[in-house]
Amino acid sequence: GAVVSQHPSRVICKSGTSVKIECRSLDFQATTMFWYRQFPKQSLMLMATSNEGSKATYEQGVEKDKFLINHASLTLSTLTVTSAHPEDSSFYICSAIGLGSTHFGDGTRLSIL
Amino acid sequence: GDSVTQMEGPVTLSEEAFLTINCTYTATGYPSLFWYVQYPGEGLQLLLKATKADDKGSNKGFEATYRKETTSFHLEKGSVQVSDSAVYFCALSDLDGNQFYFGTGTSLTVIP
Repeated sequence: GAVVSQHPSRVICKSGTSVKIECRSLDFQATTMFWYRQFPKQSLMLMATSNEGSKATYEQGVEKDKFLINHASLTLSTLTVTSAHPEDSSFYICSAIGLGSTHFGDGTRLSIL
Repeated sequence: GDSVTQMEGPVTLSEEAFLTINCTYTATGYPSLFWYVQYPGEGLQLLLKATKADDKGSNKGFEATYRKETTSFHLEKGSVQVSDSAVYFCALSDLDGNQFYFGTGTSLTVIP
């Protein structure tokens, strides 16, 4: 069964709305989780590394104030897309390291109208 | 549904040895295929990709050919280096991002 749960799987909302995506490790504690985004017609790109109890590390070009990451516990990391706009529409996926390997969430399809 | 089956590891090779990591897929439609590499403690990095049948992706000496007839995308490198030690993930998706499916990952250790 799934060891990383990502929620929601799909969200459609109006421009200006803030959207929170959750990534939970179900059977293990994950001190490190990763957030990825797929741009249209491109492959998956790393956005940020989420570290429990400390600030996330963002990749170059990713706006920290736009994509808020909170890794408040060893089993939960959240990505909040603040004041989302149509250009933020994308597929977001998280992964977590634990139990000797990397596990992926099922992804979130975000559509901003 | 769509899925990716990847050769289980761990794999240990001597430096300059030939590497093959097998990957086969099941998909409806015409997916794009990817190989990602994850170094210890880091996130995934795209290694190479192929978007249609018979395409060959290549990068850093690694190659993989999109074989529709065998539904495979095996990763190869002619001469591995210690710095290639990492976990390699095979994945499929369409480029519109409707979903990503990953293999379980293959850990590679290259010894001097």
